[in-house]
Amino acid sequence: ELKVEQNPLFLSMQEGKNYTIYCNYSTTSDRLYWYRQDPGKSLESLFVLLSNGAVKQEGRLMASLDTKARLSTLHITAAVHDLSATYFCAAGNAGGTSYGKLTFGQGTILTVHP
Amino acid sequence: NAGVTQTPKFQVLKTGQSMTLQCAQDMNHEYMSWYRQDPGMGLRLIHYSVGAGITDQGEVPNGYNVSRSTTEDFPLRLLSAAPSQTSVYFCASSYSLGTTYEQYFGPGTRLTVT
Repeated sequence: ELKVEQNPLFLSMQEGKNYTIYCNYSTTSDRLYWYRQDPGKSLESLFVLLSNGAVKQEGRLMASLDTKARLSTLHITAAVHDLSATYFCAAGNAGGTSYGKLTFGQGTILTVHP
Repeated sequence: NAGVTQTPKFQVLKTGQSMTLQCAQDMNHEYMSWYRQDPGMGLRLIHYSVGAGITDQGEVPNGYNVSRSTTEDFPLRLLSAAPSQTSVYFCASSYSLGTTYEQYFGPGTRLTVT
């Protein structure tokens, strides 16, 4: 059974600082997703990582995937207040009937302070 | 394209009442899923479908029924609502063609059972 764990669950950052959110998953997965969620809103897709060593960057966010360690990271560079949100990682498998199924981490609540 | 739509946005039920949460997508996606989101637990898969007429259970299926008679619609039925079903419900859709493996989420339905 696929399990996904994120840490930290709560992250309070100062503006301008860097930090990393970690996402560990328990069994083989060939898709790793990162989502952002603002309060009362739906999930906004940030990244989809499909292969070992994949790295994707968008603005101040960079995500990477190490399938051998079963670990993905979301690195935040020079945080700004607008990045305050809840961030989720989710893992899944592309094969056959598993395609529509994702297993989510608990979420990391990020607050960026001036 | 409207993407993934969900109705209603908000609903309050009394214990024992039944209702149907609607989900529709206009992207001709094969795969559709229902998730519930509870504080501190991320999203958990309730049911999913790999095409019209084909559904399967996810992690937390008890108390919910689904059917998929068309590609576009994937309603979620609560048979006899319980306070433990108070949650935010998200519908998602995806397709297997192409290489993005993107999952598209609806805006959510916030359900309170008293």
